[in-house]
Amino acid sequence: NAGVTQTPKFRVLKTGQSMTLLCAQDMNHEYMYWYRQDPGMGLRLIHYSVGEGTTAKGEVPDGYNVSRLKKQNFLLGLESAAPSQTSVYFCASSSGGLQNTGELFFGEGSRLTVL
Amino acid sequence: DAKTTQPPSMDCAEGRAANLPCNHSTISGNEYVYWYRQIHSQGPQYIIHGLKNNETNEMASLIITEDRKSSTLILPHATLRDTAVYYCIVRSYGSSNTGKLIFGQGTTLQVKP
Repeated sequence: NAGVTQTPKFRVLKTGQSMTLLCAQDMNHEYMYWYRQDPGMGLRLIHYSVGEGTTAKGEVPDGYNVSRLKKQNFLLGLESAAPSQTSVYFCASSSGGLQNTGELFFGEGSRLTVL
Repeated sequence: DAKTTQPPSMDCAEGRAANLPCNHSTISGNEYVYWYRQIHSQGPQYIIHGLKNNETNEMASLIITEDRKSSTLILPHATLRDTAVYYCIVRSYGSSNTGKLIFGQGTTLQVKP
């Protein structure tokens, strides 16, 4: 059982380049989330989705776009990377509706460096 | 969702109980208390949650005060592998909830031999 899988796990970009982080979950969860974590800080919510085809902004959405074309996948895009986006990115998923117990399942993280 | 306050760091001797406090004085009636931990930059891991009754599972116990303004996470016999950042989060519960969690700074627990 893979749970939540993030790809790539490491990436180095130059300022202005674009890239997409992929999150895949095999638990049939409705809800998915993208967080970022800067050194010594807690996680901050970037965007989230409560179902296929829907997305919403979190605490720090600027500079990122997301898509949820399939229930099992949640993509995070950086159109023009900036050094301030150097961070560790975590994807998470949880069941929705009445089954939503508040337990989020997290991936291993994707470490992005923007030079 | 209500904010939480946690001490930035704590130490605990291996084999002893670790008691991690959390203050959530503005918690409202439909908000639960959740605890997660993050071991060495891995993805956070769910530990336990509760509303007003004390809760226990295989990982920990959660003690919530009667006025619900504070809680304590108890790791009964801490091991070196329990060294981690522990996050206390307050969140409303139910079908209308989007499930998102807002993380604070957490408490860094160092378990020492």
